[in-house]
Amino acid sequence: DAGVIQSPRHEVTEMGQEVTLRCKPISGHDYLFWYRQTMMRGLELLIYFNNNVPIDDSGMPEDRFSAKMPNASFSTLKIQPSEPRDSAVYFCASSLDTSNYGYTFGSGTRLTVV
Amino acid sequence: RKEVEQDPGPFNVPEGATVAFNCTYSNSASQSFFWYRQDCRKEPKLLMSVYSSGNEDGRFTAQLNRASQYISLLIRDSKLSDSATYLCVVNRGTGGFKTIFGAGTRLFVKA
Repeated sequence: DAGVIQSPRHEVTEMGQEVTLRCKPISGHDYLFWYRQTMMRGLELLIYFNNNVPIDDSGMPEDRFSAKMPNASFSTLKIQPSEPRDSAVYFCASSLDTSNYGYTFGSGTRLTVV
Repeated sequence: RKEVEQDPGPFNVPEGATVAFNCTYSNSASQSFFWYRQDCRKEPKLLMSVYSSGNEDGRFTAQLNRASQYISLLIRDSKLSDSATYLCVVNRGTGGFKTIFGAGTRLFVKA
């Protein structure tokens, strides 16, 4: 099992540019989560999907952030336009369910907006 | 007050020592509990689930105290490779699903 695959591993972009982060969950996992981690705020849930449907996006900071899951094996998190305060590590995770099983995280995308 | 609270540490212990971390949670409706481990600049990885009856996995023991609303992680015979940040995770099942990650406790095991 290849685990949760995220790309790119690192992204450096200029303020105002569009950034797209990608995630391939573990096959068979019905839940996909996008998290953001910073030193100040720790791990924050941005949005999660169940069977490709967004269930809770209340953690999405603002309209500049959007996420899609067009099929069971692919999800994107887009930031447009990006700002320096978006600099963080973005993790994608997948799980069989929300309560009884832990999550498997991808290696993360380290985003730096300059 | 945060919904899940951990002592940030750091805990500095010698190899072979026993070390314990506690994590408190405020929502009594919380239903499931986990410990994750996160190495520096890596992703969190599931260490173990925490069951009401307590559970053990090798040198690691996790316990849940619902009455006092805390979970604990005990590491026996610490190894250098145990150095990491340990995250407490609580799932709130009612009032809408929500998984809360604690801020983590840093552990340094020294030779």
